[in-house]
Amino acid sequence: SAVISQKPSRDICQRGTSLTIQCQVDSQVTMMFWYRQQPGQSLTLIATANQGSEATYESGFVIDKFPISRPNLTFSTLTVSNMSPEDSSIYLCSVLVRVGGYTFGSGTRLTVV
Amino acid sequence: GNSVTQMEGPVTLSEEAFLTINCTYTATGYPSLFWYVQYPGEGLQLLLKATKADDKGSNKGFEATYRKETTSFHLEKGSVQVSDSAVYFCALPLSGSARQLTFGSGTQLTVLP
Repeated sequence: SAVISQKPSRDICQRGTSLTIQCQVDSQVTMMFWYRQQPGQSLTLIATANQGSEATYESGFVIDKFPISRPNLTFSTLTVSNMSPEDSSIYLCSVLVRVGGYTFGSGTRLTVV
Repeated sequence: GNSVTQMEGPVTLSEEAFLTINCTYTATGYPSLFWYVQYPGEGLQLLLKATKADDKGSNKGFEATYRKETTSFHLEKGSVQVSDSAVYFCALPLSGSARQLTFGSGTQLTVLP
């Protein structure tokens, strides 16, 4: 199955700033997903990122707040913009590969102060 | 779309006790079913999966059987260890054509020595 390197693993950020999370995969994948896990909650899909097209956002998530880049088949970034304490969560990227199914990154634990 | 209902937690057991975490699903057709585990401070790891009805997924002593009659995929382990303490998520694809997963609410398991 694919191996995902996600960075940073954790960060503490000031209110009003932005953080970009990187997700690097060791193989080419068509579909990448970004999830949010709020404290004590399950995972919620933010958006689906396909190479060569705009990301598709789920209800409640907008591009201005969570811009996503997908420049090639092995890399994606998610930016959390103009952060507030409510954005404190774990953010995870995930990929779907033909062999092995769904794989997740180790997550980025974000705290906004 | 598909959905999953997971047993509410938290669950606290003594070492070597028997574990069951209930998961039932609502789905069109027979999608693959998954159990993911999240150890403290880490991202999600695939624990096991089943791709068709009556399949049994197993890994690290954990088992789950895909039962279409009861639309269930309960997670079991005969003898839990302290190292099994984690949050467990049941998941399945959001819909037949969708590639993203939808997750249960998660069950926090604590195993005491």
